[in-house]
Parts: sequence; C-alpha cells; structure tokens
Amino acid sequence: DAKTTQPTSMDCAEGRAANLPCNHSTISGNEYVYWYRQIHSQGPQYIIHGLKNNETNEMASLIITEDRKSSTLILPHATLRDTAVYYCIALTGANNLFFGTGTRLTVIP
Amino acid sequence: AAGVIQSPRHLIKEKRETATLKCYPIPRHDTVYWYQQGPGQDPQFLISFYEKMQSDKGSIPDRFSAQQFSDYHSELNMSSLELGDSALYFCASSTGTFAYNEQFFGPGTRLTVL
Repeated sequence: DAKTTQPTSMDCAEGRAANLPCNHSTISGNEYVYWYRQIHSQGPQYIIHGLKNNETNEMASLIITEDRKSSTLILPHATLRDTAVYYCIALTGANNLFFGTGTRLTVIP
Repeated sequence: AAGVIQSPRHLIKEKRETATLKCYPIPRHDTVYWYQQGPGQDPQFLISFYEKMQSDKGSIPDRFSAQQFSDYHSELNMSSLELGDSALYFCASSTGTFAYNEQFFGPGTRLTVL
C-alpha cells in the first residue's frame, strides 16, 4: 500500500471548516484513500473513503485531486468533539490498516 | 446497533505471565483484525482472520498467537509477557469487499504488565 504524508498537527477554530491535507504521490490505480480518526484512546473510527471522485457523507467531504496524488478531508463545521488524530490511509481490498503518524487536529473554542 | 465487544477492558499481569484477550465481532462480519497501540504511538497491525483462517500477519511477536473460532469470535493469546507488551489492544471487524472495507473497532483492552 502507498505511503501517505500528513502534517503533524493543525488547529481549527470551532465552527469553522477544518481542511486536512494528505499526500499520497505513489498511490496505485486500485488503491482507495481512507480516512479514520482516533479520539483519545478510543478505537479508531472510519470517516470516509474514495477512489477518484469526491465523496461526501454525514461526517465529512473528501476531495481527491485529478492525478490522485493528494487529497483533502474537510470537516465543514468543526466542533470540540472533532479534536482527534486523523489518519489518511491508502489501501486495496480488505487489507489491514497501516496507521502512519496522522494529523493531530485541535479544535479551539 | 451492535458493536465490536472486547474483553476484558483492563488487564494487569506480571512479567512472564500469560494473557488472553477476546474479541466478539459485529454479527455477520467475516474478518477480524488485531492492532496494538503502545503509549504515545500509532496503532500497529498484528494479525487478521477471514472466515476463521489467518489472512495476514503484521508485527506480531512469536510469543503471541491468535485464532478465530467457529462463531467468529477471536482470541489473542500472549505468553511470556514483557514490560513492552503494555499497550492498548484493539480488535476490529469488517465485511470487507474490494471497494469498501470499513473496519469497526472495539473499545480496546488496556494491558498493563508489571
């Protein structure tokens, strides 16, 4: 599975959009981009995933560049409960998840 | 909705003892994964099972073994425990297909080795 690169940490004001970037320049054509988050010491939680097209669900939006080398997770209206470590993972099929360093998002009141 | 159940939630053991962690996946999920998360670290994949057969293996020490039973629950057996085995152990389950593999994580078992 392709390696992903994310900023170590980010801050976001409560109520504002949080935009979390991820670089996956070596992603292969059959690898999906998955986003998970882990709120302190809880089990990781699935957020969203995509292959080529932009995706949106009740939690977030995922914007994937046309060349698929990078993507951005958007939390449209961040709340304090969105403070967590966010992981961008590229994988195929039912493979295990490789958690890299992730981005520690802090939502500030 | 039913979630992944892990037991026990907390476990304290002495060095060189053994421990068994249990995982009950969401009903009708056929794949189980085990992850280990040390203090201040990211989760690391240990091992997975699909339809009761081992499907993938990560950085699982030889002192650890795991299996998935006929009712799909899984157990992680850890022997000769070391201080470095102190960690959160997560189990996750899924009905992974190629295009969609959302893994549902349990609350974890916190193992402390003294």
